[in-house]
Amino acid sequence: ETGVTQTPRHLVMGMTNKKSLKCEQHLGHNAMYWYKQSAKKPLELMFVYNFKEQTENNSVPSRFSPECPNSSHLFLHLHTLQPEDSALYLCASSQGVRTGISANTEAFFGQGTRLTVV
Amino acid sequence: AQKITQTQPGMFVQEKEAVTLDCTYDTSDPSYGLFWYKQPSSGEMIFLIYQGSYDQQNATEGRYSLNFQKARKSANLVISASQLGDSAMYFCTFRGGSEKLVFGKGTKLTVNP
Repeated sequence: ETGVTQTPRHLVMGMTNKKSLKCEQHLGHNAMYWYKQSAKKPLELMFVYNFKEQTENNSVPSRFSPECPNSSHLFLHLHTLQPEDSALYLCASSQGVRTGISANTEAFFGQGTRLTVV
Repeated sequence: AQKITQTQPGMFVQEKEAVTLDCTYDTSDPSYGLFWYKQPSSGEMIFLIYQGSYDQQNATEGRYSLNFQKARKSANLVISASQLGDSAMYFCTFRGGSEKLVFGKGTKLTVNP
């Protein structure tokens, strides 16, 4: 079983649809992240959760709504997306402590969900 | 704000040769970590190697080593004895005082037989 699992691997949705991306980690980590990877752009951090609390929202449009019910699961709820939201969405996890995430903590990534908005 | 610069959009190397992928960073944080990730065409981001800002020695992990020059703020990845399976995107990343893991734009490495 891989450390960080994302489902689905591929998703095609219309602009009026509502869908959710799921991420699950089996590494005992307390911090989880959503990243967006568009073609020809650096990875963009979207959200960070540490101990289920959102600690970072990188000016993400409200049509993306994260949810972290526990330290092992992270969701990204999608609604009324635009074609420019088509991208690879990567989930990651890392060790966190109550006071934050230390600089020497590597993140482990899932395989991503390739999202196409039509 | 932290900034990561990878100046090589693409690199080519012959199988079994060594290759260096460049990375420079800009930060005012006294304590930070530098990480390299590999992303094959399948999309998964694979952690390769870590260098801490206070580490006295350059990090090594198998065929991967990090040429860390703190005064120059550079953290170049060296891959020795390249293999065909090394063909992928390589990302230099930075984590400082915040919880953000900041990525560079990446370098696409192609290993030729």
